[in-house]
Amino acid sequence: AIQMTQSPSSLSASVGDRVTITCRASQGIRNDLGWYQQKPGKAPKLLIYAASSLQSGVPSRFSGSGSGTDFTLTISSLQPEDFATYYCLQDYNYPFTFGPGTKVDIK
Amino acid sequence: QVQLQESGPGLVKPSQTLSLTCTVSGGSISSGGYYWSWIRQHPGKGLEWIGYIYYSGSTYYNPSLKSRVTISVDTSKNQFSLKLSSVTAADTAVYYCARLVIRLGELSLFRYFDYWGQGTLVTVSS
Repeated sequence: AIQMTQSPSSLSASVGDRVTITCRASQGIRNDLGWYQQKPGKAPKLLIYAASSLQSGVPSRFSGSGSGTDFTLTISSLQPEDFATYYCLQDYNYPFTFGPGTKVDIK
Repeated sequence: QVQLQESGPGLVKPSQTLSLTCTVSGGSISSGGYYWSWIRQHPGKGLEWIGYIYYSGSTYYNPSLKSRVTISVDTSKNQFSLKLSSVTAADTAVYYCARLVIRLGELSLFRYFDYWGQGTLVTVSS
């Protein structure tokens, strides 16, 4: 199975900050990567698919980039509701595998 | 608006079979292009995809669990189910059902989980 890593594992940021989270795949996965946001006690929510396609209804401050093995999720101006854990997911081949997550909390 | 809701026992004894059902509302489970999935999350940990079923009955199981997993579908009830046999404490987790979309984009397939259930905690303990 393809292994996914994320960095950092956690970060502290302030409202209004630009935040960048990185995801790396153990082999090339083209652009077959999604990003999900999870708040405590809730199910994950789809933010980005195909590395850079914004899911309908997701604010435009979220953006994704990358291809091959290295991917980035950027939040351009962090809002109070964005404090959560973020997971990447490779859908290049089966079994789909998630990254370990990046927790974004309040500085 | 599609909604998914998990149901089933919250406590299962070791060596027994975990059984959960996901009821889909707001859309038909028989709609093409959707694969009905189970995903689990160990307490305080990351996410693990268990597998999916298509309305026709075709399935995919994660090799890490394949020998113990069965996913089935009941289109008449708009439900799909998960059975995980011979459970141990390591199977204690929040279990989510989710809809996997697989659709053709301009140059490639798009695959993503767009709707999720709220999740149900299953504890394996005697």
